[in-house]
Amino acid sequence: DTEVTQTPKHLVMGMTNKKSLKCEQHMGHRAMYWYKQKAKKPPELMFVYSYEKLSINESVPSRFSPECPNSSLLNLHLHALQPEDSALYLCASSQEAFPEAFFGQGTRLTVV
Amino acid sequence: GQSLEQPSEVTAVEGAIVQINCTYQTSGFYGLSWYQQHDGGAPTFLSYNALDGLEETGRFSSFLSRSDSYGYLLLQELQMKDSASYFCAPRDGGATNKLIFGTGTLLAVQP
Repeated sequence: DTEVTQTPKHLVMGMTNKKSLKCEQHMGHRAMYWYKQKAKKPPELMFVYSYEKLSINESVPSRFSPECPNSSLLNLHLHALQPEDSALYLCASSQEAFPEAFFGQGTRLTVV
Repeated sequence: GQSLEQPSEVTAVEGAIVQINCTYQTSGFYGLSWYQQHDGGAPTFLSYNALDGLEETGRFSSFLSRSDSYGYLLLQELQMKDSASYFCAPRDGGATNKLIFGTGTLLAVQP
């Protein structure tokens, strides 16, 4: 199984809502990532978890809150988002310090 | 700081060969990966260079020159399905798993 599964695929939320994005992998990967991608732009790194601990936070606003409950799951909690946060949110995983990362299909988020 | 540069767009015809360049400046460098992303799809890993030289994987090859902070992806025998965005992604210092994507090159393959 070389799949990274993200749910939901699409999400529309208001600026006062709280929602969560979920990501799951069963490849035994110990590094997991969140990226944000705007149209016609590269994926932009947000967070990296290594062995279930947050190792990189790329100065992401606190309205995005990551969580890694176990080695297979990664969540991104969303609160008080702005319309400019509308984007494709990609989850990825890899073996620790390994160059090949596997990406999920993403959650397309619209903030209204 | 960090900077990554790729041409924004490249157009080629089926059967041709195309080279997509990447120049990088990073605070730490462990190797250079290449990813492909079709419109609406997820990025998928193509190749990785940790050492100088050419790595060949089927129709795709990737080259790295660490002394020049430069790499390229070479696509041969282009097919219509190769139309996609291509990103170089330097990997920082080994253990940190910091995978940053370049600006991306949109490749359009024409009949």
